[in-house]
Amino acid sequence: EAQVTQNPRYLITVTGKKLTVTCSQNMNHEYMSWYRQDPGLGLRQIYYSMNVEVTDKGDVPEGYKVSRKEKRNFPLILESPSPNQTSLYFCASSLFLASSTDTQYFGPGTRLTVL
Amino acid sequence: GQQLNQSPQSMFIQEGEDVSMNCTSSSIFNTWLWYKQDPGEGPVLLIALYKAGELTSNGRLTAQFGITRKDSFLNISASIPSDVGIYFCAGQYNTDKLIFGTGTRLQVFP
Repeated sequence: EAQVTQNPRYLITVTGKKLTVTCSQNMNHEYMSWYRQDPGLGLRQIYYSMNVEVTDKGDVPEGYKVSRKEKRNFPLILESPSPNQTSLYFCASSLFLASSTDTQYFGPGTRLTVL
Repeated sequence: GQQLNQSPQSMFIQEGEDVSMNCTSSSIFNTWLWYKQDPGEGPVLLIALYKAGELTSNGRLTAQFGITRKDSFLNISASIPSDVGIYFCAGQYNTDKLIFGTGTRLQVFP
């Protein structure tokens, strides 16, 4: 089954404790992206990757890191989480973003609470 | 960062009613997309629009790409309880970025 998986689905942590949220897709997609969803703000892009070893900042990259060592995986790293990073996070992938026939597939989401 | 203005923020309607929502931007987009997010799930693509003036339907859903390329509209006819969720518009203006709207939360009462 074609899908985007994220782990963990729920995480409660404390300020400053490094964490990683994993994202994996089994569709051989080139493009992967991370978003955060906050009430009243919709989805805002954190980082995206057009291909292996190619990553770029989205609209809200501060406090986050990503890596793309393999095509299927795109982990999101919070080196020193802070309470303002409490949010619902989505990973997404698509074959390319430029294609007019492309569709972006979203993972199920990771709800992160930073105390 | 850039965001799209989506309205209304929320809607509470009775089953059977029609629904309209829209998205506006100060920038021109080449593609407009409409997504639905069910509770506890990630967004799922409903309709994609690629040309100014384009009108596209998907079942009871109809979306339009505004002539100015700065807005888009989504209509849902004869709403049913499973239409409940958050609807997001998204605009694409170059090959690597997709900008999302703030979402419209729809509640349908039987």
